[in-house]
Amino acid sequence: QKEVEQDPGPLSVPEGAIVSLNCTYSNSAFQYFMWYRQYSRKGPELLMYTYSSGNKEDGRFTAQVDKSSKYISLFIRDSQPSDSATYLCAMSANAGGTSYGKLTFGQGTILTVHP
Amino acid sequence: GAVVSQHPSRVICKSGTSVKIECRSLDFQATTMFWYRQFPKKSLMLMATSNEGSKATYEQGVEKDKFLINHASLTLSTLTVTSAHPEDSSFYICSASRDRGWEQFFGPGTRLTVL
Repeated sequence: QKEVEQDPGPLSVPEGAIVSLNCTYSNSAFQYFMWYRQYSRKGPELLMYTYSSGNKEDGRFTAQVDKSSKYISLFIRDSQPSDSATYLCAMSANAGGTSYGKLTFGQGTILTVHP
Repeated sequence: GAVVSQHPSRVICKSGTSVKIECRSLDFQATTMFWYRQFPKKSLMLMATSNEGSKATYEQGVEKDKFLINHASLTLSTLTVTSAHPEDSSFYICSASRDRGWEQFFGPGTRLTVL
């Protein structure tokens, strides 16, 4: 079993739709939860991060973490064609020693928002 | 702020040659730098973690003699793929961290093609 599971999609939605992206994980030591957006042939860019459980909103994006279920989500409201990209969830235990700062990524979900 | 560059962005080489990829933090000092490998439509796979002035820590299954990592300063890390073969063709991405926390800033990636 992978530490982080993410449905690779692809996911295709019309412009204006609400998009829901999800990841599950098995390592209960994870405390930091991130969502990255990656355009083709580019490096990932951080969209949102959440510490421990809870919700966080930033514009059209909402991140949710449910540590009891080991489940995280990213919602995109009023999706735009420019949101078309691969979305990667990532997690970190931020423990000491050699694992400090280490991120574990999901496989990434390919999203296409068509006009 | 927190910009990371990589050079070259794309390289094509013959089988058996060695290729060096540079990763620079342009506006901050990077305590730790990470090197990832990404196959098409796949997630980022951590290859190694390096701290300035010390030996890199390689992930299980990554050949340290094949992928040489040097972190000579707080703003520069290099990855050298030695005696490259077609199966080494991939997208290599570096990231840098200002402290030992979870936040990493990613470079734009280097696409390596070995003929």
